[in-house]
Amino acid sequence: GNSVTQMEGPVTLSEEAFLTINCTYTATGYPSLFWYVQYPGEGLQLLLKATKADDKGSNKGFEATYRKETTSFHLEKGSVQVSDSAVYFCAPISGGYNKLIFGAGTRLAVHP
Amino acid sequence: DGGITQSPKYLFRKEGQNVTLSCEQNLNHDAMYWYRQDPGQGLRLIYYSQIVNDFQKGDIAEGYSVSREKKESFPLTVTSAQKNPTAFYLCASSNGPRLEQYFGPGTRLTVT
Repeated sequence: GNSVTQMEGPVTLSEEAFLTINCTYTATGYPSLFWYVQYPGEGLQLLLKATKADDKGSNKGFEATYRKETTSFHLEKGSVQVSDSAVYFCAPISGGYNKLIFGAGTRLAVHP
Repeated sequence: DGGITQSPKYLFRKEGQNVTLSCEQNLNHDAMYWYRQDPGQGLRLIYYSQIVNDFQKGDIAEGYSVSREKKESFPLTVTSAQKNPTAFYLCASSNGPRLEQYFGPGTRLTVT
């Protein structure tokens, strides 16, 4: 079945460190891929997206590239800030009814 | 401002009572979704609707019911048949297949 695997958290970094959160997926066909971010007690916000192979999504310093050959969509940021502390979800979309596939998410904690 | 509103933010109920969670969107999106999130976990799809007067069960529909009488509104009723209703409930909408979903701020339901 369709699924997504993210690296387990929490990921703890110092401010200005480089961030990578790994994401691999299994899905039928060629799904669109999304990264969402959730701050404590809030809903999910769309961070970035990619709709076809080799597309690079980017927003607020975050980037992710759609790698069809490795079915991956790793999230990166060159220099994290304390305000980036949140839970990050990688979510492919698949199926005839537009279903997002969620894993458990990766919690990021950035310290000054 | 366009967006999705959910009310209330916190909801408390006694076991055995039905409760209805509100979700309204002014994005003119055709599709709407309800997800459930438990602590430390990803989101699971409860129900979705691709168009007014039509909806389908998601992965965990048992104990829940929905209606879609207006394009802007997709209320979720948590019935007394739901065995473990305490959770964070998120509503989302999208403008078509394989497109991003936009989420509301969520309602945290506690049943005692």
